[in-house]
Amino acid sequence: AQSVTQLGSHVSVSEGALVLLRCNYSSSVPPYLFWYVQYPNQGLQLLLKYTTGATLVKGINGFEAEFKKSETSFHLTKPSAHMSDAAEYFCAVIGGGNQFYFGTGTSLTVIP
Amino acid sequence: NAGVTQTPKFRILKIGQSMTLQCTQDMNHNYMYWYRQDPGMGLKLIYYSVGAGITDKGEVPNGYNVSRSTTEDFPLRLELAAPSQTSVYFCASSPTSGRSNEQFFGPGTRLTVL
Repeated sequence: AQSVTQLGSHVSVSEGALVLLRCNYSSSVPPYLFWYVQYPNQGLQLLLKYTTGATLVKGINGFEAEFKKSETSFHLTKPSAHMSDAAEYFCAVIGGGNQFYFGTGTSLTVIP
Repeated sequence: NAGVTQTPKFRILKIGQSMTLQCTQDMNHNYMYWYRQDPGMGLKLIYYSVGAGITDKGEVPNGYNVSRSTTEDFPLRLELAAPSQTSVYFCASSPTSGRSNEQFFGPGTRLTVL
């Protein structure tokens, strides 16, 4: 079975500070992992994904994530937060039949 | 390309009423999905389809029905609306092959049942 746990439902950072959003997964097959962002009153937009190959994945808007098999983690980072990064972030793992399993989300607040 | 479109954007229903949430995609994707999003709960899969004429239940299918007569359209039907169905509903689609394919999401329908 596949599942995702996002630690911290709310994260606040100062503008310019490091952003770290945590995601741990459970998967009975080699995982394919995704991070999505949701801005207020909008649908989800893909930030980045890990399938195979390089474990450090770069995405849009300066975000990146590192797949660590030994820690079953796929944490999302950005070196310097911007006000426009304020949004809800979802980690997801893909299981059989192309079904996604989403985490419960982390709301990011950026303090000016 | 418009991507994934959903109508309506907002709707208020009375208990026991029925309605259909529309979803259309113009990317020729075979896979389509319906999710509901409740505060603090993430997204839960209601139904999905791997192609025209083929649908299957997801994690929370009770109280909903779907059909898939064309590749483009995947409507979600609520027959007897209940307050527990108050939620934001998202439709998504993805290409046919490979587990690595991302899902493309519509803008959502915000439904309130009173």
